Amino acid sequence: QSALTQPASVSGSPGQPITISCTGSSSDIGAYKYVSWYQWKPGKAPKLLIYDVNKRPSGVSNRFSGSKSGNTASLTISGLQAEDEANYFCSSYTDSNTFVFATGTEVTVL
Amino acid sequence: QVQLLQSGAEVKRPGASVKVSCKASGYSISGYYIHWIRQAPGQGLEWMGWINPDSRITNYAQKFQGWVTMTRDLSISTVYMELSGLKSDDTAVYYCARLNGAFDMWGQGTRITVSS
Repeated sequence: QSALTQPASVSGSPGQPITISCTGSSSDIGAYKYVSWYQWKPGKAPKLLIYDVNKRPSGVSNRFSGSKSGNTASLTISGLQAEDEANYFCSSYTDSNTFVFATGTEVTVL
Repeated sequence: QVQLLQSGAEVKRPGASVKVSCKASGYSISGYYIHWIRQAPGQGLEWMGWINPDSRITNYAQKFQGWVTMTRDLSISTVYMELSGLKSDDTAVYYCARLNGAFDMWGQGTRITVSS
């Protein structure tokens, strides 16, 4: 099972929106709604931001939103804030009854 | 406090085995599958498999079949991941994570270093 693909880095100014893409295949992202997104800061455990493509867990800011089109999922952060600087990675369930992850995207707030 | 607490870092020789524990607190460990995921230095996350603590049923990634074993001890709310025949490229941080729709809770990670 190949890893999902994300851009290595994305940057934006405070208040601007950014979008991170996550590309998979018809065996994972394209086949299921089970796409999730995580925020990972140094020294901390990953934090779940989005599950089932576009659902937010309780307590997660509504500045974070998710979507999917074909084999690509996307995470949008609207109104970028300094605290959003982190690594973001996606995950998907696959048709092999396994899970696959992306290597992650470093978000920098300029 | 709802959390997963993992055992500490270990250094192992090639060919040895390692057993990492993941203790659940603040919720019933029987209620959710626990997955194991690892990250080698400079690499992305790699899914290893899961255990259903209630039934003991496991599902391992094909790559790890035959050399990973996931078990549990409900009496102490703990699941274990044992990896045998360690090689240098098994050097990684190993994480347990609870599946609740998605991986909504992660352990702090256990660094395993394989070195002669």
